[in-house]
Amino acid sequence: SQQGEEDPQALSIQEGENATMNCSYKTSINNLQWYRQNSGRGLVHLILIRSNEREKHSGRLRVTLDTSKKSSSLLITASRAADTASYFCATVSGGSNYKLTFGKGTLLTVNP
Amino acid sequence: SQTIHQWPATLVQPVGSPLSLECTVEGTSNPNLYWYRQAAGRGLQLLFYSVGIGQISSEVPQNLSASRPQDRQFILSSKKLLLSDSGFYLCAWSVGGANTGELFFGEGSRLTVL
Repeated sequence: SQQGEEDPQALSIQEGENATMNCSYKTSINNLQWYRQNSGRGLVHLILIRSNEREKHSGRLRVTLDTSKKSSSLLITASRAADTASYFCATVSGGSNYKLTFGKGTLLTVNP
Repeated sequence: SQTIHQWPATLVQPVGSPLSLECTVEGTSNPNLYWYRQAAGRGLQLLFYSVGIGQISSEVPQNLSASRPQDRQFILSSKKLLLSDSGFYLCAWSVGGANTGELFFGEGSRLTVL
């Protein structure tokens, strides 16, 4: 079963614009992670935010976490064509320390 | 630095044939190892994870099995492939559990069962 659900499923923007992707989850978490996947490639970890954190930055990435709403958002500022990829949120659930559950992802297309 | 290798990158197999996908990690000791499968247009499904040599946890009953014969080697196998086994298989490793840190993924193995 899926813990995280990304929204929207697909997003198309112009270079230079900001991209916002949302993730909702169902059960309490220790942390929430965002990953990026270029087409046909493996996943790359972007950022991890712990349950006691509300916001985290890494370069052009900004992640927020609202545990009361069980939701997170990933903001990519000043997007570039190279940001085109699928973005996934992932959480640990079910009392397991190892079962990282991914959503279906948001496909971001940045048009030059 | 740590690296993870998966092979083969692409595989086309007939129904009923056996499967062996291999994953090795370099530059770290006693990693936690994972096999995920990604079906077209879907998220990743955790298949197996291992916290040590010979220790395999299965998340989903299926036609596949995993083994960890060495500390940094993780193998995904099947005796007889089904059409539904087609997909993109990803190996990953982590230092601690996923509740403490990130996973590092390989480049994947694309399996097509005909």
